[in-house]
Amino acid sequence: KNEVEQSPQNLTAQEGEFITINCSYSVGISALHWLQQHPGGGIVSLFMLSSGKKKHGRLIATINIQEKHSSLHITASHPRDSAVYICAVSRGTGNQFYFGTGTSLTVIP
Amino acid sequence: NAGVTQTPKFQVLKTGQSMTLQCAQDMNHEYMSWYRQDPGMGLRLIHYSVGAGITDQGEVPNGYNVSRSTTEDFPLRLLSAAPSQTSVYFCASSRAGRIYNEQFFGPGTRLTVL
Repeated sequence: KNEVEQSPQNLTAQEGEFITINCSYSVGISALHWLQQHPGGGIVSLFMLSSGKKKHGRLIATINIQEKHSSLHITASHPRDSAVYICAVSRGTGNQFYFGTGTSLTVIP
Repeated sequence: NAGVTQTPKFQVLKTGQSMTLQCAQDMNHEYMSWYRQDPGMGLRLIHYSVGAGITDQGEVPNGYNVSRSTTEDFPLRLLSAAPSQTSVYFCASSRAGRIYNEQFFGPGTRLTVL
């Protein structure tokens, strides 16, 4: 059983659409992380959060600690948002990470 | 700062060959780790290190060795490559001992074992 579950696995959207990717976890965490991986590319950190909500540009991440659930929203989606989005949780002293399997997002012009 | 660097970017091996994947970071991070990424699976931890001279096994260590002689470098050795080790390998680093820790990833090494 995965400690971190993401949905959907694959997502196709039209440019301009509002997108939501969900993440549920089953363990106690120090923080929840959203990562982005472009095709053939490396992995970069988008958000690290332990409560509430964070916003960077068109990206918003929320977390509900009681429900062990987080969402990543993309407003006014653009083809350059096409990537794999990975949810991860860190535990303990913050170095132990568990990763979801990722959501592959394709935004069509 | 270069961040986390990995070499090579691509590698093809024959079954039974050995090789070393290089990883270096210039952020003075104590914690370094190696992951493999396979289709349909999340990143899986191979080995990690909490500082120079200290290494430990992760979830999938078989067939791999690591060493950490300096803070900066954390090479991953494949002892006798097998087709099951075909994967994309990522090295990552972060500060140790902090509850809220961001991991910094290298660009990855795509390895094919024939």
